[in-house]
Amino acid sequence: QVQVVQSGAEVKKPGSSVWVSCKTSGGTFSSSVISWVRQAPGQGLEWMGGIIPIFGTPNYAQKFRGRVAITTDESTSTAYMELSSLRSEDTAVYYCAVGYSSSWYNAFDIWGQGTMVTVSS
Amino acid sequence: EIVLTQSPGTLSLSPGERATLSCRASQSVSSSFFAWYQQKPGQAPRLLIYDASNRATGIPDRFSGSGSGTDFTLTISRLEPEDFAVYYCQQYGSSPYTFGQGTKLEIK
Repeated sequence: QVQVVQSGAEVKKPGSSVWVSCKTSGGTFSSSVISWVRQAPGQGLEWMGGIIPIFGTPNYAQKFRGRVAITTDESTSTAYMELSSLRSEDTAVYYCAVGYSSSWYNAFDIWGQGTMVTVSS
Repeated sequence: EIVLTQSPGTLSLSPGERATLSCRASQSVSSSFFAWYQQKPGQAPRLLIYDASNRATGIPDRFSGSGSGTDFTLTISRLEPEDFAVYYCQQYGSSPYTFGQGTKLEIK
């Protein structure tokens, strides 16, 4: 059974960057699809982007292009999401979600527990 | 970008009743790459249905999905107390992979 564990909560200043990690176990990391989804307080779900480790090229939502970077470390089965130029509107829970096949046409089978990022001066 | 609109926004029902949740897409969703998720307060979403009508592993058979093109439905045949939550639809056939705004299923 695939398990997904994310890094802990972060508090950041406006204009800074945040890294969130997502470690998977129990599955085939390189041939899965890793997506990042965020949820602002009391709001819905928003897809930010994703990556298929075996292919390596990330796919970003236009809204976040230029501010987000998604990378992977196959040696530790870990994915990373960096969001830069943070503003208060980026305050949200950030989820890592894993799809079992190496295809973009894949639902999000397993979700991490979420990482709260608070942006405040 | 495909916009997904869920209805109703809130659905008030009693345990044992049947729930029907709808999601309409602004354009056709290719190959029925469509999913439903359940989210309870303080928890991550959980996949219920993928490819429009397939139940994810471990999901009870009271949950069923149907639809194609632009109109999709999640049906819960007989509500259990643990089913009261927020439900999101999602399309993953066209990037960006968008979600609906959610339907809150509450106890009447």
